[in-house]
Amino acid sequence: GAGVSQSPSNKVTEKGKDVELRCDPISGHTALYWYRQSLGQGLEFLIYFQGNSAPDKSGLPSDRFSAERTGGSVSTLTIQRTQQEDSAVYLCASSLGALSGGEQFFGPGTRLTVL
Amino acid sequence: AQKVTQAQTEISVVEKEDVTLDCVYETRDTTYYLFWYKQPPSGELVFLIRRNSFDEQNEISGRYSWNFQKSTSSFNFTITASQVVDSAVYFCASQETSGSRLTFGEGTQLTVNP
Repeated sequence: GAGVSQSPSNKVTEKGKDVELRCDPISGHTALYWYRQSLGQGLEFLIYFQGNSAPDKSGLPSDRFSAERTGGSVSTLTIQRTQQEDSAVYLCASSLGALSGGEQFFGPGTRLTVL
Repeated sequence: AQKVTQAQTEISVVEKEDVTLDCVYETRDTTYYLFWYKQPPSGELVFLIRRNSFDEQNEISGRYSWNFQKSTSSFNFTITASQVVDSAVYFCASQETSGSRLTFGEGTQLTVNP
């Protein structure tokens, strides 16, 4: 498809388990972003990848969160030892490049529920 | 750090009414970008507009218009002759030139009743 895709669309897990969320950006987009949308915190930035540069991890809430982007394309967000407060919708976005002002195209999100 | 405030949590109007969604931003940058996104019930964020800090011209796109005023640090969004399909959460966001993350406001839930 032409848009950003994310999988799974829904994930239910038990507290303490690890989860992996996947993002497939728009082909040709060099910048990839992860955001989290939760009831108490609104939409918050997590991490940003731009080409081969070191990612901006400043938004990751704890060291249980990590992300990687392989081959400058697909990205995986990993949450270790999940907690109930990790329950949220995780949104991925991509854009054409690092130039600020570039439109970010968002995927449909992964709804994570930690029991 | 940037901050975006959308003071209106929820707005309810009747179809065909005009409605304005407020957005106030804070930044120390002289160059920055402002955005509006729409999030319909399906959940996917849809880009509506981007404005850079050097361009204070108002913009109109169909029933949508935006009023950017640097003097009051506001970037308000007006929907003219609202329709039921306009019902969604609308987010205002800012972006620094030094980085590419978006800083979002809390969002305004707009409900347009028939």
